[in-house]
Amino acid sequence: DVKVTQSSRYLVKRTGEKVFLECVQDMDHENMFWYRQDPGLGLRLIYFSYDVKMKEKGDIPEGYSVSREKKERFSLILESASTNQTSMYLCASSLVQGVSYEQYFGPGTRLTVT
Amino acid sequence: QKEVEQNSGPLSVPEGAIASLNCTYSDRGSQSFFWYRQYSGKSPELIMFIYSNGDKEDGRFTAQLNKASQYVSLLIRDSQPSDSATYLCALRNRKLIWGLGTSLAVNP
Repeated sequence: DVKVTQSSRYLVKRTGEKVFLECVQDMDHENMFWYRQDPGLGLRLIYFSYDVKMKEKGDIPEGYSVSREKKERFSLILESASTNQTSMYLCASSLVQGVSYEQYFGPGTRLTVT
Repeated sequence: QKEVEQNSGPLSVPEGAIASLNCTYSDRGSQSFFWYRQYSGKSPELIMFIYSNGDKEDGRFTAQLNKASQYVSLLIRDSQPSDSATYLCALRNRKLIWGLGTSLAVNP
């Protein structure tokens, strides 16, 4: 089974803090993704990475950066947390395999910025 | 027009009935389509994907794709209370494009 783990299930940070969210997958997937999910807005892609040290902006990259130094690990960084970044953050990974593109999700990190 | 549209629901069905969830999309170039289930407070989990016109069955679940009409649906036969969740439709373009989901409630 694919396993995607995230460093924290719940996190509370103060406005202006630098926040690191870590994601690790154990299935040698090329692609990794960071989403945030908010009620009424659905899943929104922040960044994704298709290879080590490669990254591409998603739909809402502002206020975020990412790092992928190793294939299995993808980090999301909030440079200076703000209250509007309070959300559920979901990491996912996938293979690139023909028409298939299943994404497998980690358990999520519920971040509260106060 | 949103790229992927789903009725937000809630869709309420009695236990044992067939639940029908629908999704329409705007991009005719989309290659494959995915249904995910998400329980409250949990992350999405893949139910099935489909890329050819027609039906694809997996246990109690059947995905139906009609590219000419640009819709994909998910049928859940013999619905159980444990099927109560939000069902997300996604399509593959260069990345996955997500619908907002349909909330399903199966009543005992």
